[in-house]
Amino acid sequence: EPEVTQTPSHQVTQMGQEVILRCVPISNHLYFYWYRQILGQKVEFLVSFYNNEISEKSEIFDDQFSVERPDGSNFTLKIRSTKLEDSAMYFCASRVSGGTDTQYFGPGTRLTVL
Amino acid sequence: DQQVKQNSPSLSVQEGRISILNCDYTNSMFDYFLWYKKYPAEGPTFLISISSIKDKNEDGRFTVFLNKSAKHLSLHIVPSQPGDSAVYFCAASEGSNYKLTFGKGTLLTVNP
Repeated sequence: EPEVTQTPSHQVTQMGQEVILRCVPISNHLYFYWYRQILGQKVEFLVSFYNNEISEKSEIFDDQFSVERPDGSNFTLKIRSTKLEDSAMYFCASRVSGGTDTQYFGPGTRLTVL
Repeated sequence: DQQVKQNSPSLSVQEGRISILNCDYTNSMFDYFLWYKKYPAEGPTFLISISSIKDKNEDGRFTVFLNKSAKHLSLHIVPSQPGDSAVYFCAASEGSNYKLTFGKGTLLTVNP
């Protein structure tokens, strides 16, 4: 069964450093999402991406964040200058077009900012 | 901002019995609701969904009920199995972008 994959599974970085989190969505899916979950809190929407552009972003998704689909398979989330409060699980999700709302999630990347 | 609320942080049931997980929402524009299961260190796994035009959807042991007037949905698992032990998230979306708004989750423990 096709699945969303994410790399790395765990990323440790120093405050102020740039990180890139990678995702490979399910191959026939056209809508892509990033969510995050800070420890002990709910899963929060960050950004949605369709047709090579951001379709919606949350208040969390400020100028330090960016997303890109550099080729036909990868979808990346970049944090330019990480802060301590960026430490969280980051989940990528994808959805096929055609009206179904079901999003399929990857296993997540645990980001630890020291 | 708690548009989706799961008021029970945990639930414990005996194997073979029914598990009922509840979810309330405040945004009347939500038109699609989903339940996800999550194990530690894994991503949310889709379980079952329901459109706002329906009041019930069933898939094997899992049934979701939607009461729009009460802005309430519930997930029934019958019979419950120890492998069902996980955190269950209720999520909702509105409109064409389909971004999901999640509840805080309910930890279900099914005891053998």
